[in-house]
Amino acid sequence: NAGVMQNPRHLVRRRGQEARLRCSPMKGHSHVYWYRQLPEEGLKFMVYLQKENIIDESGMPKERFSAEFPKEGPSILRIQQVVRGDSAAYFCASSPRRTGGPSNYGYTFGSGTRLTVV
Amino acid sequence: QQQVKQSPQSLIVQKGGISIINCAYENTAFDYFPWYQQFPGKGPALLIAIRPDVSEKKEGRFTISFNKSAKQFSLHIMDSQPGDSATYFCAASKAAGNKLTFGGGTRVLVKP
Repeated sequence: NAGVMQNPRHLVRRRGQEARLRCSPMKGHSHVYWYRQLPEEGLKFMVYLQKENIIDESGMPKERFSAEFPKEGPSILRIQQVVRGDSAAYFCASSPRRTGGPSNYGYTFGSGTRLTVV
Repeated sequence: QQQVKQSPQSLIVQKGGISIINCAYENTAFDYFPWYQQFPGKGPALLIAIRPDVSEKKEGRFTISFNKSAKQFSLHIMDSQPGDSATYFCAASKAAGNKLTFGGGTRVLVKP
């Protein structure tokens, strides 16, 4: 059972270009979460999605950032017109269900996409 | 607003020693407190977690201590090994939601 798959592992974009980050959740997982990690900092929540629905996007910047989780295929985090401040590691996590219960043991992170904006 | 504060930022301990990392939270609605271990180039991996109805939880060499009145919790790594060298993050979440609020991380180096 493959874990959460993120690609690409590394992505270099020039300022003003678009970045697309993909996340395939674990088999059987229908909930996806995106986090951003700046150098030497903790992870910051961005968005929580279920298939075809955005559940919580309270951590998403208001402009240039969007996310989707279509009925078929991976979840996509899209950053338009990237700027140097977007350089960070972006992590995706998935879970089999809303894990507000006794444990979050179903919440698994991928290895991340490291975005560098030059 | 940083809702989970973690200290120290870095820690050096000798092999066999005890590593102690502390976290404090502000939001009393938090009721789930996990610790994650992250190696360079990898995603965070769940290490151990606790709910506020218990004051301590132990799994192998890892122990969480929880003080609800002080809104603090800590991770103790007993008999630290070089393979424990990693960055450790505390986190917190509300029962009804799934987003995790992370502390700033502690880089632990265990010297042989």
